[in-house]
Amino acid sequence: DAGVTQSPTHLIKTRGQQVTLRCSPKSGHDTVSWYQQALGQGPQFIFQYYEEEERQRGNFPDRFSGHQFPNYSSELNVNALLLGDSALYLCASSPLDRDTEAFFGQGTRLTVV
Amino acid sequence: AQSVTQPDIHITVSEGASLELRCNYSYGATPYLFWYVQSPGQGLQLLLKYFSGDTLVQGIKGFEAEFKRSQSSFNLRKPSVHWSDAAEYFCAVAQPGSGNTGKLIFGQGTTLQVKP
Repeated sequence: DAGVTQSPTHLIKTRGQQVTLRCSPKSGHDTVSWYQQALGQGPQFIFQYYEEEERQRGNFPDRFSGHQFPNYSSELNVNALLLGDSALYLCASSPLDRDTEAFFGQGTRLTVV
Repeated sequence: AQSVTQPDIHITVSEGASLELRCNYSYGATPYLFWYVQSPGQGLQLLLKYFSGDTLVQGIKGFEAEFKRSQSSFNLRKPSVHWSDAAEYFCAVAQPGSGNTGKLIFGQGTTLQVKP
């Protein structure tokens, strides 16, 4: 079992550009959540996807959007990048029908210059 | 508003000494409780979790945590710290119920440094 995998591991973008991050969940998991972790901070919940729909959303602007595919993998898209979007973006997967912990990927380090 | 507080931003302990990391939460009911560990540049690894039942929970790597409802606390402990325990530790809460463990509220984290 490969666990949760994220790509790319590192990314550098320019202000105003758009970025897409990718996540493959752990085998058997159907729910994917995305988090933003700024330097020196705890992760903050962006949104969660289940059955290709956004199930829950945190306090993030509409510039942050996502998608889930039929194979449960997911993408996080950020438009009109700001310097403040520089962070580690973490993906977590979990099964909707069981009370069990979420498993995290290694993250994508996004730097906006 | 729901929140998690980790009062200690940075803790330094000597190798072999005991460790306690504090976590307090503000929540309407008893939430699900978690401790995760993060090594530099890495993702989060679950150390232990509390959903219900016995308030003293055992985790991986010799860690344990105790849930105290009266104090809204879930402190992490280890009797003897190893140099490899140096990392960032995060306490987190989630609303009880299936499907909610993916929506976590995290504390700010505590950085643990281990002196030889």
